[in-house]
Amino acid sequence: EPEVTQTPSHQVTQMGQEVILRCVPISNHLYFYWYRQILGQKVEFLVSFYNNEISEKSEIFDDQFSVERPDGSNFTLKIRSTKLEDSAMYFCASSFEGGRTEAFFGQGTRLTVV
Amino acid sequence: GQSLEQPSEVTAVEGAIVQINCTYQTSGFYGLSWYQQHDGGAPTFLSYNALDGLEETGRFSSFLSRSDSYGYLLLQELQMKDSASYFCAVRDRGTDKLIFGTGTRLQVFP
Repeated sequence: EPEVTQTPSHQVTQMGQEVILRCVPISNHLYFYWYRQILGQKVEFLVSFYNNEISEKSEIFDDQFSVERPDGSNFTLKIRSTKLEDSAMYFCASSFEGGRTEAFFGQGTRLTVV
Repeated sequence: GQSLEQPSEVTAVEGAIVQINCTYQTSGFYGLSWYQQHDGGAPTFLSYNALDGLEETGRFSSFLSRSDSYGYLLLQELQMKDSASYFCAVRDRGTDKLIFGTGTRLQVFP
């Protein structure tokens, strides 16, 4: 069964460093998303990406964050100058189309900023 | 904006039936979805209601009433493995972003 894969599963970084979280969405999907979940809290929308551009972003997704689809398979989230409060689980998701279709989530990358 | 509210925690015993409610304020969405998330895992899709009424999938049923801005997930014949967090979610009609509710932690006891 096709699945969304994320690497690494766990990333520890020092405050102020840059990290890149990687995702391989399901191959025939067209919509890609990043979500964040701080421990014990709800899943928060960060950004959606369609047709090689950002289609929507939340207030959380400021200039510290960027996304890229560098080739036909990878979808990355870059976080610059990481802060302690960036520590969270980051989920990538994809869906075949917008609207009604369910989204498939990767297993997440746990980011720990120390 | 969109907001979806859920009870923070629900407890029940094996074999029982439990209902998890979701009340929302949205400006336009395609339908109401439900996701399950075990500790340390990813959200996984459970059900989707495009129209008002009840959708049944095995032990799980989901209900939507757009006029009441309300939906619920019904879990029957509870099993220990159902212990997880459950999130309602809507996909915004204008932006396609999937917005999650506050989440309900279900604990099933023997």
